[in-house]
Amino acid sequence: GESVGLHLPTLSVQEGDNSIINCAYSNSASDYFIWYKQESGKGPQFIIDIRSNMDKRQGQRVTVLLNKTVKHLSLQIAATQPGDSAVYFCAENPYINTGRRALTFGSGTRLQVQP
Amino acid sequence: NAGVTQTPKFQVLKTGQSMTLQCAQDMNHEYMSWYRQDPGMGLRLIHYSVGAGITDQGEVPNGYNVSRSTTEDFPLRLLSAAPSQTSVYFCASRSTGRDSPLHFGNGTRLTVT
Repeated sequence: GESVGLHLPTLSVQEGDNSIINCAYSNSASDYFIWYKQESGKGPQFIIDIRSNMDKRQGQRVTVLLNKTVKHLSLQIAATQPGDSAVYFCAENPYINTGRRALTFGSGTRLQVQP
Repeated sequence: NAGVTQTPKFQVLKTGQSMTLQCAQDMNHEYMSWYRQDPGMGLRLIHYSVGAGITDQGEVPNGYNVSRSTTEDFPLRLLSAAPSQTSVYFCASRSTGRDSPLHFGNGTRLTVT
């Protein structure tokens, strides 16, 4: 069943195209960022992370770009496949009320891959 | 490795009932946490623990209790369930060291009527 909301922003792409999912983070003190993928009925799955001393990091078919000036993070997926259809979340690690850092999540973007 | 295991997968409670959501991990992770996921709001941190015997509050701790008597287990207790606690709950763990990703369980879907 659905484990995320029905009113998420949605990105629809054709199979084989590249996808770019964007995220604006809120806290300039955050220094570690992660992208997660969540399929229906499952928990979030780690995709790729990046530290604030980097602008770009590449994985298998995925690239994360970090622009600290405008507090923007993006996830690029090359040659998008039907199995990439999911909700994608970015997360940052600000200090929270206890004085420790903890991962906080954006509200997510739904990626739909059209065959 | 099983990773992070949550039970039950589904639960329906009446208002005022109590229950415990179970979470266990077999990765020897010191850090464990509980999040709730509501439509349009992403995941919000309820409580977390940096090791056995140590727990702390997250963003939305009210109505929930936790304890951490072992490294492996981190149960979440609802003492008197309310409809506002209807949500999907995720447990997650990670290794020590500040910059390491969380590993999530597959969630418990809770409905409070």
